[in-house]
Amino acid sequence: AQSVAQPEDQVNVAEGNPLTVKCTYSVSGNPYLFWYVQYPNRGLQFLLKYITGDNLVKGSYGFEAEFNKSQTSFHLKKPSALVSDSALYFCAVRDGTSGSARQLTFGSGTQLTVLP
Amino acid sequence: ETGVTQTPRHLVMGMTNKKSLKCEQHLGHNAMYWYKQSAKKPLELMFVYNFKEQTENNSVPSRFSPECPNSSHLFLHLHTLQPEDSALYLCASSWDSSSYNEQFFGPGTRLTVL
Repeated sequence: AQSVAQPEDQVNVAEGNPLTVKCTYSVSGNPYLFWYVQYPNRGLQFLLKYITGDNLVKGSYGFEAEFNKSQTSFHLKKPSALVSDSALYFCAVRDGTSGSARQLTFGSGTQLTVLP
Repeated sequence: ETGVTQTPRHLVMGMTNKKSLKCEQHLGHNAMYWYKQSAKKPLELMFVYNFKEQTENNSVPSRFSPECPNSSHLFLHLHTLQPEDSALYLCASSWDSSSYNEQFFGPGTRLTVL
């Protein structure tokens, strides 16, 4: 089985401050990890992914995430938050083991609010 | 979300109605997906099509019937729905369903069942 936990329903941060949105995962094989963002009345947009290689992954709009195998975490970070970053963020995982047919499992989402 | 379009964007229907949701992708992908998004719940995968073949039905009630006539189009036929089926229905596509490629989502259809 595979699962994703986003322990915070809501994260508030002041504009210009660094932001972190937390994600932990559970998967039996090799994890493929993704972050998506959803703005109001829109579909999900892909931000970044970890498949293999460097643990620090850089993505769109200045976001990055760090894969930590020992802590089974994949936290999303940005050095300086913008008001326009306010949105709903989803972490997702799938088992990347060869032959695995499991599809993406999404977390329940974290609402990020950046205060001006 | 550009590249994946969904129509209609909003739909209100009674429990005895029959309606269909349409999804079209212009990305040359081979896999398409239907998800259900309800408030305060994780996205629920409903159906997966890979090269026009249905590869996953996630225990979805038969009142939801998918159709994939080609790799660019995906439909969700709705019949005798319940109020608890009210949700945002998202379509997505990817290069194929077995790869590590990201999925591209449409804007969704907001469905309200009265």
